[in-house]
Amino acid sequence: GQNIDQPTEMTATEGAIVQINCTYQTSGFNGLFWYQQHAGEAPTFLSYNVLDGLEEKGRFSSFLSRSKGYSYLLLKELQMKDSASYLCAARDSNYQLIWGAGTKLIIKP
Amino acid sequence: DVKVTQSSRYLVKRTGEKVFLECVQDMDHENMFWYRQDPGLGLRLIYFSYDVKMKEKGDIPEGYSVSREKKERFSLILESASTNQTSMYLCASSLSTEGWETQYFGPGTRLLVL
Repeated sequence: GQNIDQPTEMTATEGAIVQINCTYQTSGFNGLFWYQQHAGEAPTFLSYNVLDGLEEKGRFSSFLSRSKGYSYLLLKELQMKDSASYLCAARDSNYQLIWGAGTKLIIKP
Repeated sequence: DVKVTQSSRYLVKRTGEKVFLECVQDMDHENMFWYRQDPGLGLRLIYFSYDVKMKEKGDIPEGYSVSREKKERFSLILESASTNQTSMYLCASSLSTEGWETQYFGPGTRLLVL
């Protein structure tokens, strides 16, 4: 079956760095997405990886290892507004997105 | 900016009622999707559409139907609402399903079925 695993909840301190991991098992693979979702709001796109390696975009970076079925989202210089759920989604051979349950990130002052 | 709007943010219905959830996107996207989001579960795809009058079942289509009469509008219909359909419903659209093209989401409709 197809499956995405990510931690349910993480806590970090303002100004620090946090890494949110995601492992995936899909029928075929056509890219991995990270979305941010604030409570009560719509998910918004953060990053896309299809090749191995690190993609950096400001304070946020995303890493992919296709051979390991593994990705992580790295958030630097954490701000209170980064408190949100972070959703990992892998695109399968049918170009459908398979979604993880999301990681709730709590930022403490 | 892409804008996806949904007809209601909150909705309360009774068991057995017919429920219509509407979604409109303003970016001429080919693809539109309906998901439900429940605590502890990932987004689950109900139905999607690649073109006008075209629909495909997702992972959990039972108890739902959809309609896409115009490119910009995708409606989700609960023929006879049941309490297990209480959920957050998210509509999304995308230009393509390939490459880096992402899905853009509406604000969601939180449906409570009593």
